[in-house]
Formats: sequence, C-alpha cells, structure tokens
Amino acid sequence: DQQVKQNSPSLSVQEGRISILNCDYTNSMFDYFLWYKKYPAEGPTFLISISSIKDKNEDGRFTVFLNKSAKHLSLHIVPSQPGDSAVYFCAASWGFQKLVFGTGTRLLVSP
Amino acid sequence: KAGVTQTPRYLIKTRGQQVTLSCSPISGHRSVSWYQQTPGQGLQFLFEYFSETQRNKGNFPGRFSGRQFSNSRSEMNVSTLELGDSALYLCASSPDGKETQYFGPGTRLLVL
Repeated sequence: DQQVKQNSPSLSVQEGRISILNCDYTNSMFDYFLWYKKYPAEGPTFLISISSIKDKNEDGRFTVFLNKSAKHLSLHIVPSQPGDSAVYFCAASWGFQKLVFGTGTRLLVSP
Repeated sequence: KAGVTQTPRYLIKTRGQQVTLSCSPISGHRSVSWYQQTPGQGLQFLFEYFSETQRNKGNFPGRFSGRQFSNSRSEMNVSTLELGDSALYLCASSPDGKETQYFGPGTRLLVL
C-alpha cells in the first residue's frame, strides 16, 4: 500500500526553465510534508517543508504547493540549474515523525 | 553545528553474521530515526527513538533492533544477516520528533 506516490520516475528540464515535481498521497491523516534531494550513496538533504495548515511555502528558488482536497503536493524549482540534477523524494508524516517516502523522481537539468 | 554522523560508512558481512551501526545526531536533537533504502523497496522506516525509548516502529522483523543512549547517540543492530539486508541504512535526527528530520550520509551494508 503506497501511501505516498511520485508517478513520474524521471523529468528532464533545460537550465533556466521551471522544474515541477509532483506527489500524491492517500492518507488524510498526514499533516506535514517535506521534499528531500538525494544523490547516490548519500543521505537525503532536506529542501523544504509545508504544514497542512498552509497551501504554499517558498524558500529561494524552491516553492512547495499543497492541495489538500486533491491530496497533491508539488515542488517548483525556478530557475532550474544543472546542480539541481538529483533524485527528489517527497515525504509525509503525522504525529511523531514516521516519515513515509515516495519512490522518487530523477531530475536532470541540462545546460 | 555538525550534522548527523554515521559509522561505519561501508561494511561487508556474510550471511548469518550480525552487525551494529552507529549514529550521532545533531547536537541538541533528541529524536533519532532509522531508515533502510533498497532499490526495490525505496526508503522505509525502521524505528524511532526518543529519550532512550523506542517510540515508533516500522514493519521489519525482530532481527532489526536498536537502542539510544543518554547522549542521544543511537545504534542499530541486525542479527542473522540475510542477503536481502544489503542496503543503505540511514539515520535521521530532529529536536523532539515533530520537526524536520535531518539525515546522515548513511552506512552501505553489503551481505555476501
């Protein structure tokens, strides 16, 4: 039972353009959502989070949008840079911090 | 502030052996969680410790166990290793379990 889904395994974007990564969830109990960036054989690096009481959160080039009625969140990266190329995981939690991860989307930003 | 550290970074064991992995959280963080990452199953939650007590547990067999010390450092133990235990084991810490978790670099375990 995959409670957090990232339906696009990969995404290719040109440098300078917008990258949009999507994530869907099924458990309405989730109240905290996060995006992590990961390189092979390294731990995930925290990017940005959003609480269920908000619908948008921005941090520099990264913006996360939450649509609770659709159980959908997205990460926008503007402008995309080659250094953004990595695997991006969305994660969700409720209560005491049992993070449930999606399967990841590999982003490739080409010069 | 130093990040989450994990030791060792790489480990090779044979089936039937046991292994202990160590995690030092960010200073001041009292919650430590462990995750397993495999190509087939993705990132899966193992357990979470807070103030030396296991507060949350994932769906892993009893061969996987852990503990937390009074200084918040945590260890994870896997007994009777199986080939399928080969994975990247990640440790994450947060101040009290309600905030963002910050991950360490992981321990790559290979079981032969």
